[in-house]
Amino acid sequence: GAGVSQSPSNKVTEKGKDVELRCDPISGHTALYWYRQSLGQGLEFLIYFQGNSAPDKSGLPSDRFSAERTGGSVSTLTIQRTQQEDSAVYLCASSNRVGTGELFFGEGSRLTVL
Amino acid sequence: QKEVEQNSGPLSVPEGAIASLNCTYSDRGSQSFFWYRQYSGKSPELIMFIYSNGDKEDGRFTAQLNKASQYVSLLIRDSQPSDSATYLCAVTPYNQGGKLIFGQGTELSVKP
Repeated sequence: GAGVSQSPSNKVTEKGKDVELRCDPISGHTALYWYRQSLGQGLEFLIYFQGNSAPDKSGLPSDRFSAERTGGSVSTLTIQRTQQEDSAVYLCASSNRVGTGELFFGEGSRLTVL
Repeated sequence: QKEVEQNSGPLSVPEGAIASLNCTYSDRGSQSFFWYRQYSGKSPELIMFIYSNGDKEDGRFTAQLNKASQYVSLLIRDSQPSDSATYLCAVTPYNQGGKLIFGQGTELSVKP
C-alpha cells in the first residue's frame, strides 16, 4: 500500500475485555515497530519485528500484551484483560531496513478503556 | 534516568527567529540520532538524522551532535508558524539491534 495502515482508528472497550490492533506496513518493508503514546507523552517502544521474528520484545508492559507478524507483512497487537492504564494511541511503523531509524508511521489506533 | 531526555516546553519563538531544541541521551554507545516532527493529532515524521559529531544542515534545519557530551540538538532557522509542532529526538542504543528510543518531545510554538 501507499502507507502504513492501522485499524481500528478508534476503539472503546470495557475494562477486562481483549482487543486486537492491526497494522499493515508499507509493501516490501521488512521491519515493523509498535509504539504507544499516552496523552502529551513521547513514544514508548513496545516491540519490533524483522520479518516474522521479534528480536526485541522488551517494551511490552506485561504478559497481557502480545504481538505477532505473519507472512512478513501484517502484524497484530493483542491486549488481554484491558486496564484503564492501557488507554493510549498505539502507533505502528515500518522501515525497509532495521537500524536505519527511518520509520514510516501509521495514523495510530486510539484505545480507550472505560 | 531516562534514556533520551528533552525539555517538554512549550518553547515559544517569534516568526523568523531561530528555534533551538535540545536532547540528551544516557547510552554513551548510541550510534544514530534522529529528529521527528509530530503535528497535533498526527503521526511522527522523520525530518533529520545525524551519525557523526558536528553539524548537518538541510535547508532551514541543522542537526548538531556532540557524542562526548551525549547531546544532540536541532536548530530551525527563520522559524515559521507552520513549524509549530512537537519535535521528538530518537536514538538507536548500542548493541540493541533496530530498537529506536524516543524522548518525550519538545512542543514548539512559532508566533506570527
